[in-house]
Amino acid sequence: GAVVSQHPSWVICKSGTSVKIECRSLDFQATTMFWYRQFPKQSLMLMATSNEGSKATYEQGVEKDKFLINHASLTLSTLTVTSAHPEDSSFYICSARESESPYNEQFFGPGTRLTVL
Amino acid sequence: SQQGEEDPQALSIQEGENATMNCSYKTSINNLQWYRQNSGRGLVHLILIRSNEREKHSGRLRVTLDTSKKSSSLLITASRAADTASYFCATDRGGSYIPTFGRGTSLIVHP
Repeated sequence: GAVVSQHPSWVICKSGTSVKIECRSLDFQATTMFWYRQFPKQSLMLMATSNEGSKATYEQGVEKDKFLINHASLTLSTLTVTSAHPEDSSFYICSARESESPYNEQFFGPGTRLTVL
Repeated sequence: SQQGEEDPQALSIQEGENATMNCSYKTSINNLQWYRQNSGRGLVHLILIRSNEREKHSGRLRVTLDTSKKSSSLLITASRAADTASYFCATDRGGSYIPTFGRGTSLIVHP
């Protein structure tokens, strides 16, 4: 099956710094990728939809200047948490939609745990 | 907003018993997927079932889909302690193909 990787798998940073998380589709091309965040014992909430070569579409309530998304190629999307604060600590998960799949199946990465001190 | 809702929110069973979790959704879908998440870990894809399919099997897992009732069920047979995890269904928003998750079912299998 299709594989999506994320890097890093976990990161600890100081408050005020920026953190970049990468999401890669390893064996397929993904025109669209999605970013989610998950708080402890809660569901995954969609943050934004990332389209290759164009601006991301953010869900209501998600600050686009806070969470910068870049989808520069068909296999890579990045999420940068700028000026991170402790409340940004969360589990971030990406998914990628296979461009050639007639059913537009989505495949999820293993997640990145961000801890902001 | 949530598209899929799992039921029950929590399920506690003994090893060897079957576990059934349900997922209901609101709008039409193209496919529905079930995932497992161990505490503090990432998602593990279990099964994808397409809107024109009614049932799929994978090992001890059986997934059904009833599009007329907008619901799906995940059955784990002969459960093991290692099956303890949270289980989520994810559906796409019909024509938008945006996957959204339910709140999940927390399954505990006692050895």
